[in-house]
This record gives sequence, C-alpha cells and structure tokens, in this order.
Amino acid sequence: DAKTTQPTSMDCAEGRAANLPCNHSTISGNEYVYWYRQIHSQGPQYIIHGLKNNETNEMASLIITEDRKSSTLILPHATLRDTAVYYCIVRDPLTGNQFYFGTGTSLTVIP
Amino acid sequence: NAGVMQNPRHLVRRRGQEARLRCSPMKGHSHVYWYRQLPEEGLKFMVYLQKENIIDESGMPKERFSAEFPKEGPSILRIQQVVRGDSAAYFCASTDRYQETQYFGPGTRLLVL
Repeated sequence: DAKTTQPTSMDCAEGRAANLPCNHSTISGNEYVYWYRQIHSQGPQYIIHGLKNNETNEMASLIITEDRKSSTLILPHATLRDTAVYYCIVRDPLTGNQFYFGTGTSLTVIP
Repeated sequence: NAGVMQNPRHLVRRRGQEARLRCSPMKGHSHVYWYRQLPEEGLKFMVYLQKENIIDESGMPKERFSAEFPKEGPSILRIQQVVRGDSAAYFCASTDRYQETQYFGPGTRLLVL
C-alpha cells in the first residue's frame, strides 16, 4: 500500500541537523509529498508538504529532487523532543482520500 | 483555535460490549477520517466522511463497525460486540474542503478485556 521507502531507524546528535530520506520512485505528477511524525503514542503531527519545489517552515525543510523520486526532511537543529517516528507519505489531494502510513523512520536524538 | 478533539481518550470495554468513539473536527473543517493503529504498527485508514455522507469506507471491517458524521455534532465511530482484537488506538483527522492537509486528534485508546 505505502508508496514510499524509508530507513527503519536513525540516530542524530542533539543540536545537529537530522536528515531523513524517503524514496518515492512511483510518484505521479499530481501527488504531493507529506511528512508527519508521531511522538510516542500521540496523534500524528503534520510537519510539512510539497509538490515540486523545496519548502521550509518553522519546523523543518523539505528537499525534493528534480525528478521527484526522492525527498529529504531536514530538522535543522534536532532536540530531544524531536525523537519520534517520521512518516513520508505521497498523496494526490484531489483523488486520494487517505494517507498511507508505512512503518516510517524511528528517529532517536541522542544527548 | 482548537484542534481536533477526540473523546474519550481511554476506553475500557469487556468482550461483547459496544464502544463509541467521538471526534470533533477543527473549526471550519467538514471532512473527517478515521484511522486505526494496532500496537507496533502504522496507522491504517478506515473511513472518510463528510457531513451526513460516507465517502469512502474501504478500510472498515465489514461487520460490527460503523461510522457517522451527522449534520450537527461530532463524528462517531461505533464498534459493536467488541473483541480483544479491537484493542487499538483510534485516531481521527479532519480537513477543510480542499482536503490538502489532514490534522489529527490525540486518539482514543480502546482496551477490550
């Protein structure tokens, strides 16, 4: 079901940038790339999304390759509170009703 | 600006009882989605509703589960005759009419004894 591939887990030192990769080689022209995270067992938290261009907000940056087959979520200065499971999802908002949550990347920020 | 509200946050039921989970979308949102998360797994889509309409229920189990989103009031996910395998976290999300971004509630954790 999930159309994305992510590493199962990653570690990052506190204060450093966390770069989380995602492959979505079958993405179609109208599908956006979304990133959510789930801290412990809370509800998923929206982080950022984009179509073609790189995006930045107060939480993170999203870098999408020119061919759109992969992307990277960047948390510029990771803190302990960023420890969570990060989900990369592709979806066409016009035709796709649901988000397919795969297994995500479990990011651990180390003091 | 209140986010998505879900209640109860925790629900304990014995096998055979009914469970009712409520979801109030964000202000201005008219689309609601329900997801289920089993322990150690990702979220799985169950159903998508607009006011008074079920748009997509492709992820709903065929028996015992139903959902509604009335003209007034919260969306309700109802599970009849619960079994132990229904123990999970149930999340709802809402979007506005453009459906671009889903915002999730804190979830209801159902435990069936």
